[in-house]
Parts: sequence; C-alpha cells; structure tokens
Amino acid sequence: DVKVTQSSRYLVKRTGEKVFLECVQDMDHENMFWYRQDPGLGLRLIYFSYDVKMKEKGDIPEGYSVSREKKERFSLILESASTNQTSMYLCASSWGTAGEQYFGPGTRLTVT
Amino acid sequence: ILNVEQSPQSLHVQEGDSTNFTCSFPSSNFYALHWYRWETAKSPEALFVMTLNGDEKKKGRISATLNTKEGYSYLYIKGSQPEDSATYLCALNTDKLIFGTGTRLQVFP
Repeated sequence: DVKVTQSSRYLVKRTGEKVFLECVQDMDHENMFWYRQDPGLGLRLIYFSYDVKMKEKGDIPEGYSVSREKKERFSLILESASTNQTSMYLCASSWGTAGEQYFGPGTRLTVT
Repeated sequence: ILNVEQSPQSLHVQEGDSTNFTCSFPSSNFYALHWYRWETAKSPEALFVMTLNGDEKKKGRISATLNTKEGYSYLYIKGSQPEDSATYLCALNTDKLIFGTGTRLQVFP
C-alpha cells in the first residue's frame, strides 16, 4: 500500500516563527510536490522536486523554501510565517512530474 | 497559466440520485486529464487518468468521459450514496498538474 505521510495534521504557529513541514513517501518516487489549498481556489503548487537536492519553483513560491536531502523526504520551510500563510498544505509524490500523484493527508497550518 | 474550471462548485443530492459535473479546460497540448476524490480528513486519491479524445473510464458507479477537442470532461455518479460525499478535483496534466477548484458533493440519506 503506497504511503505519503506528513509530520503534523494540525499546527499553530505565531507570526515570524520559522516553520518546517515534513513529508515522507515510501514508494521510491523521484518526484515530490508541495501544494496549498485555500477556500475557493484549486490546489496551488508551491515547489516541486525532480530528484534529491533538485527543486523547482511552482506557481506561488514566495515566502517558502524547500529541502530534499533524501529521496523519500521533502520539507517545506516557512522562513518567517505570516498570517496569509494560514492554509491547508498537501504533499504529493509521483513517478513522473505529470503522472498520477499520491497525496499525504495534509497539514492544516494556522498562523496567528 | 492554464485555467481549469469545474462546475458546479457544490452539489447536494439525495441518496439514489444520479449526478454529474464538469471540468473545462482550454483545448491545448496536454498529456492527460486526471480526476481525484478528496474525502474530508483523508488524502486526495486518484479516480481516473484519461488521455485520448473520447476516452471513457468506469469504476463501479462512477464513470468519466473526455472530449479534448471541445475541452471538457464529465464525471458521472450513478445512484449516489452517502459515502460518495467528497470534493471531486480534476487536473490537467501538462509538465505538472494544474488543478481545478473542485466540486463539493454532499449526498443525503
């Protein structure tokens, strides 16, 4: 059974804090993705990674960075959290960059 | 950025009703059209990946069609059940997935 896990289901942070969201997949997928989901908007791509230490900006990378030191792990970093980063964050992985994606359960982040 | 639109935004139906919703996209080069189901408190999961004009896929009571020439895909649910309640997302597969905003379906017993 394929599995993508995220470190937290719910997270509350204060403005200005550094926030790490972790994602781990056990399918040996090369490609991993970070999205955010906001009411009335589709899933929006923040960053993705083709391979270890490789990263590409998605549609809304501002205010975020990522790290991929190991194939199975992809981290999203909010250097200085702001209230407009309150959102649901979803991680996904796939065999190809445009193939079927397998999602984690999401992290609902609230920045106060 | 390509725009993928889904309609309606939300839908409430009675158990046993059949329903359908639409995913629209600009007719242009893409690899495939994906449908995902996202139940509350769970991960989105893939339903169908469709590649060819005229493609039809079926999984139990759920089916989908694809018209690449006119730029739309339909998702049908026959005899809706409460467990079908979820948000249904479509995504256009270019060099990455471009998601629509989803159709939220609620099926009442």
